[in-house]
Amino acid sequence: KNQVEQSPQSLIILEGKNCTLQCNYTVSPFSNLRWYKQDTGRGPVSLTIMTFSENTKSNGRYTATLDADTKQSSLHITASQLSDSASYICVVTVYEGDSNYQLIWGAGTKLIIKP
Amino acid sequence: DGGITQSPKYLFRKEGQNVTLSCEQNLNHDAMYWYRQDPGQGLRLIYYSQIVNDFQKGDIAEGYSVSREKKESFPLTVTSAQKNPTAFYLCATSWKSSYNSPLHFGNGTRLTVT
Repeated sequence: KNQVEQSPQSLIILEGKNCTLQCNYTVSPFSNLRWYKQDTGRGPVSLTIMTFSENTKSNGRYTATLDADTKQSSLHITASQLSDSASYICVVTVYEGDSNYQLIWGAGTKLIIKP
Repeated sequence: DGGITQSPKYLFRKEGQNVTLSCEQNLNHDAMYWYRQDPGQGLRLIYYSQIVNDFQKGDIAEGYSVSREKKESFPLTVTSAQKNPTAFYLCATSWKSSYNSPLHFGNGTRLTVT
């Protein structure tokens, strides 16, 4: 069964600290992996999208890594800010050719930054 | 001001009533989607449309209906047949319906049915 598991479910850190969020997936055939940021009561916003051949991708203070062999991804946030408080969602695309594809969504990690 | 507009932001209905959620976009994207988000769960696809006058069921279409009469608009009707309609509903678009097209989301409608 195609699944995406995220950990931890929630995380509280102090402003200025770094943190790493995890995403493990059991998906086949894999096409790409995306990270989204979702503020409370808002829609998700795309942070990164990574294909099979990409190991690392950065977007400002956000750095995503992908290990396709172990089927793991991480999202590292550097020098956290209060505005980083949000849910972070990992999404993996299953692509079976032509227009046949499916997005498998993780349940998200809720990150709280304390001043 | 480009983007995706969902309205209303909050919606309250009595059980047994149908309700329609609005989604309008001015991004000129071909594909539009409706997702449902429940606490502790990943997003679940309700319906999607790749082109005007065409749409397909997603994973949880039962109790929902949609129409796509215009490229800019993709309203979702939650019918009385939906057993547990209380949820956060998200509309999304993409330039094309493709495995590598990023999704752009509206800010959602929170529906409460009592």
